[in-house]
Amino acid sequence: QSVLTQPPSVSAAPGQKVTISCSGSSSNIGNNYVSWYQQFPGTAPELLIYDNIKRPSGIPDRFSASKSGTSATLGITGLQTGDEADYYCGTWDSSLSAYVFGTGTKVTVL
Amino acid sequence: QVQLVESGGGVVQPRGSLRLSCVASGFSFSSYGMHWVRQAPGKGLEWVACIRYDGSNKYHADSVRGRFTISRDTSKNTLFLQMTSLRPEDTAVYYCAKVKNTIFDSFEIWGQGTMVTVSS
Repeated sequence: QSVLTQPPSVSAAPGQKVTISCSGSSSNIGNNYVSWYQQFPGTAPELLIYDNIKRPSGIPDRFSASKSGTSATLGITGLQTGDEADYYCGTWDSSLSAYVFGTGTKVTVL
Repeated sequence: QVQLVESGGGVVQPRGSLRLSCVASGFSFSSYGMHWVRQAPGKGLEWVACIRYDGSNKYHADSVRGRFTISRDTSKNTLFLQMTSLRPEDTAVYYCAKVKNTIFDSFEIWGQGTMVTVSS
């Protein structure tokens, strides 16, 4: 099973905000950079956030992230129907010598 | 533009073998680490393996160690995943991904994926 825990789903109305948590441990989130990925059905994932808080060029500032201790959080403000997708956190686990992904969170726009 | 194109997927019987390829273009392939990630139907992302930019270090997930081997050919700008002793639970879409900086950080570019089905 996944080392990083995320809520299975979150939802909100258009224009509202959602947050997605990602809980890990000192061997992964606690001591390594966290990334977030967005995946639409039938397509490859896309990098949304890297180095805990940075956005690649082209990613709108409606997407933000933070990290504290062994947990990380992704926030989406001004929610749009086009944001409906699966979101995964990911990071290196130094104890496992492996990259680990979160369980994934489905975002639904009501 | 930066692009990764996977190939080699297909239907294979249990205990069979398959070799996946990922051809890179638009960037200096020899300067970046690479990963394989898979996704079983209806399931989440699962990391499979990674290799440093110079091939000096390789890491494999416990679920595939001893059966799968990651490698790269810089002269052909190609990443490989040799898969042996395949099991039904290896059925998944397999993605290759380019790291942003080191093999320990983010996956900046992903391929479109290639489907592997292990079934008799």
